[in-house]
Amino acid sequence: QKEVEQNSGPLSVPEGAIASLNCTYSDRGSQSFFWYRQYSGKSPELIMSIYSNGDKEDGRFTAQLNKASQYVSLLIRDSQPSDSATYLCAVKNDMRFGAGTRLTVKP
Amino acid sequence: DTGVSQNPRHKITKRGQNVTFRCDPISEHNRLYWYRQTLGQGPEFLTYFQNEAQLEKSRLLSDRFSAERPKGSFSTLEIQRTEQGDSAMYLCASSLVRGAETQYFGPGTRLLVL
Repeated sequence: QKEVEQNSGPLSVPEGAIASLNCTYSDRGSQSFFWYRQYSGKSPELIMSIYSNGDKEDGRFTAQLNKASQYVSLLIRDSQPSDSATYLCAVKNDMRFGAGTRLTVKP
Repeated sequence: DTGVSQNPRHKITKRGQNVTFRCDPISEHNRLYWYRQTLGQGPEFLTYFQNEAQLEKSRLLSDRFSAERPKGSFSTLEIQRTEQGDSAMYLCASSLVRGAETQYFGPGTRLLVL
């Protein structure tokens, strides 16, 4: 079983819609979770981190964490074409990354 | 620009040659990580340092790979006797061990082994 799993995608949404990205993890002791965005040919850049169960909002981005279900998600509201990228979920304890979900936002 | 730099940005080499990459982290960061990323995959953990000590190395990592961080500042990653399967993007990230320890990535070194 992979330590961090994400919907492989690709995920396509129209401009202005909500994009929902999901991630599950296997290490029940994990405490810190991160979402990174990676544009093609570039290195990952941090979007959000979350440590407690519940929701954390930052602008158009909302991270949701459910430790009991070992599940973390990222919602992007009012999606823009500039949000088109690969989104990587990472779990602390040596920063294991998922394979990423490629998101395309169509104008 | 996160403040993490990597050199060179691109490297083309022939199979069997040795290559060395350098990473300069954000100056106050005491942890430094190396990752490898291939197309369509997330970054794969290779190794990490806290100050000058190498605390963990991936079990999947070939012994052709070695990394150093001699003074707890910059780090080098060397690959000996390169193989075509080593072709990838090599990413360096640094962090400050405090709280959640967010990692900041450098631009990467893209390696092509012919």
